[in-house]
Amino acid sequence: SAVISQKPSRDICQRGTSLTIQCQVDSQVTMMFWYRQQPGQSLTLIATANQGSEATYESGFVIDKFPISRPNLTFSTLTVSNMSPEDSSIYLCSVGTAYGYTFGSGTRLTVV
Amino acid sequence: ILNVEQSPQSLHVQEGDSTNFTCSFPSSNFYALHWYRWETAKSPEALFVMTLNGDEKKKGRISATLNTKEGYSYLYIKGSQPEDSATYLCAYPGGSGNTGKLIFGQGTTLQVKP
Repeated sequence: SAVISQKPSRDICQRGTSLTIQCQVDSQVTMMFWYRQQPGQSLTLIATANQGSEATYESGFVIDKFPISRPNLTFSTLTVSNMSPEDSSIYLCSVGTAYGYTFGSGTRLTVV
Repeated sequence: ILNVEQSPQSLHVQEGDSTNFTCSFPSSNFYALHWYRWETAKSPEALFVMTLNGDEKKKGRISATLNTKEGYSYLYIKGSQPEDSATYLCAYPGGSGNTGKLIFGQGTTLQVKP
């Protein structure tokens, strides 16, 4: 299965600023997925990143707040823009199929 | 709207105890059911992907069963050890088949005391 390197592992950010999270996969994959887990909540899909096209966002998530790049088949970034304390969460990237997924080690974001 | 429910939310057991948790999911149009183990500051680790009604899978002291007709899966840990302390997540593919969207339960957080 694929191995994913996710950076940064954690950060503390000031409200109003932006943070970009990177995921590098050791093999070429068609789709990459970005999830968020707010405190006490389930892991929730933010968007699906496809190479060569715009990301597909889930209900409640918008491109202006969570812009995603997918420049090639092994790399993707998620930016959390104009952060507020409600954005304090664990962010995870993932690759795989319905028969199994691999996850990055997560980015623990605290907004103060 | 699909809903995946896990219970209990948290569990504290003594080393050596056996324990089990429940995951319930929509029983219509079943595709697959995933179990993951998630330790703090690490990647969620895939435990099982279950696809057949009545299936039982085992990995060391951990096993899982699946009932697709009634929409539930059980995860069992035999003789819990402190290193089993983690959050256990179940997830169900949303959409139709291989869309890549997993719907997760809130997880069961297990603490095993030495």
